[in-house]
Amino acid sequence: AQSVTQLGSHVSVSEGALVLLRCNYSSSVPPYLFWYVQYPNQGLQLLLKYTSAATLVKGINGFEAEFKKSETSFHLTKPSAHMSDAAEYFCAVNPVSGGYNKLIFGAGTRLAVHP
Amino acid sequence: KAGVTQTPRYLIKTRGQQVTLSCSPISGHRSVSWYQQTPGQGLQFLFEYFSETQRNKGNFPGRFSGRQFSNSRSEMNVSTLELGDSALYLCASSLGAQAPYEQYFGPGTRLTVT
Repeated sequence: AQSVTQLGSHVSVSEGALVLLRCNYSSSVPPYLFWYVQYPNQGLQLLLKYTSAATLVKGINGFEAEFKKSETSFHLTKPSAHMSDAAEYFCAVNPVSGGYNKLIFGAGTRLAVHP
Repeated sequence: KAGVTQTPRYLIKTRGQQVTLSCSPISGHRSVSWYQQTPGQGLQFLFEYFSETQRNKGNFPGRFSGRQFSNSRSEMNVSTLELGDSALYLCASSLGAQAPYEQYFGPGTRLTVT
């Protein structure tokens, strides 16, 4: 079965510092990959997606992610953190075949941004 | 376009009761998926409907069921509620017809079972 591992349940950075949130997937066939963000008491907002068109994917709010097949990774980065980036981030996969709309989520990483 | 809407936003029920949650997808979206979010288990897929047919189902007991109407609106029902059913239930909609199945989430329904 496919799975997603997010390294680090909590990440803390200073405002202006690099944000790096890690995600690894397990699949013999590269799936569709997504990053979502969840603010308190809200649903999930799509940040970006990987669909095999390009390995470096740019998303909203200055975030980007790089797909590395050899490392089965899809890490999320942002060059300079803002206070408003404090939230929980989820990496998710959607199997390419037979999965239809079935997202398998990682456990999430809570990002704290300090002034 | 209006986003995904879910009603009610908050719900308190007693063990043994049943509950129905509603989801209205983005206009034009034909797929609706449901997820359960709890602190212990995280985000888990419940089921997906496309054009009124269940296309996929997660690993949940039969007490959890759903349906989709011809206007793509969806409901999920949980019967014989247990304390462990307390969770945030999220609905997501997608065009669904073709990959990569970009899903848009609603704000969720917070269910508390006492």
